[in-house]
Amino acid sequence: DVKVTQSSRYLVKRTGEKVFLECVQDMDHENMFWYRQDPGLGLRLIYFSYDVKMKEKGDIPEGYSVSREKKERFSLILESASTNQTSMYLCASSFILQGTTGELFFGEGSRLTVL
Amino acid sequence: AQSVTQPDIHITVSEGASLELRCNYSYGATPYLFWYVQSPGQGLQLLLKYFSGDTLVQGIKGFEAEFKRSQSSFNLRKPSVHWSDAAEYFCAVASYGNKLVFGAGTILRVKS
Repeated sequence: DVKVTQSSRYLVKRTGEKVFLECVQDMDHENMFWYRQDPGLGLRLIYFSYDVKMKEKGDIPEGYSVSREKKERFSLILESASTNQTSMYLCASSFILQGTTGELFFGEGSRLTVL
Repeated sequence: AQSVTQPDIHITVSEGASLELRCNYSYGATPYLFWYVQSPGQGLQLLLKYFSGDTLVQGIKGFEAEFKRSQSSFNLRKPSVHWSDAAEYFCAVASYGNKLVFGAGTILRVKS
């Protein structure tokens, strides 16, 4: 089975702290994604990557950055956490399929609280 | 731009009753379509997907969905709902630019 592992299920950080969310996949997928999920807003794409060292902004990239130094690992970075970044963060991966993406495989999520 | 609309934010059905969750998409070409389910505090799990071929697709947990190009719809159905089906359901379409666009989700409540 495909496994997408997010390093932390629950985090509590203070305003202004730097936060790293790590994600690892074990299926050699080209694509990796970071989504944010908030009640009533569904899933919003923050960043995605289709290859090592490649990244594309999603719908809400402000306040976030990403790093993909190895194919299996995709990190989300909050340079200076703010209370409005309190949310559930979901990592996913997929194959490229005929110029778009195949199905996404999700991790279990990281719930971040910024105080 | 591609978009997905799930018109029902909440749906409540009785256990044993049939279920239909609606999904409409906007996409210029033949779409790749997906339904995902999310239990509280968990990630998303794929229920089923449509890439091509038969427009009625079967998924896990007894779910099925029908692709109707003329209506730009991909509605999810189950003939008899179980209490364990209570969750949030997301419809998604694979778009240009190598990513999925998700609907806002439908929360299913099951009455016993």
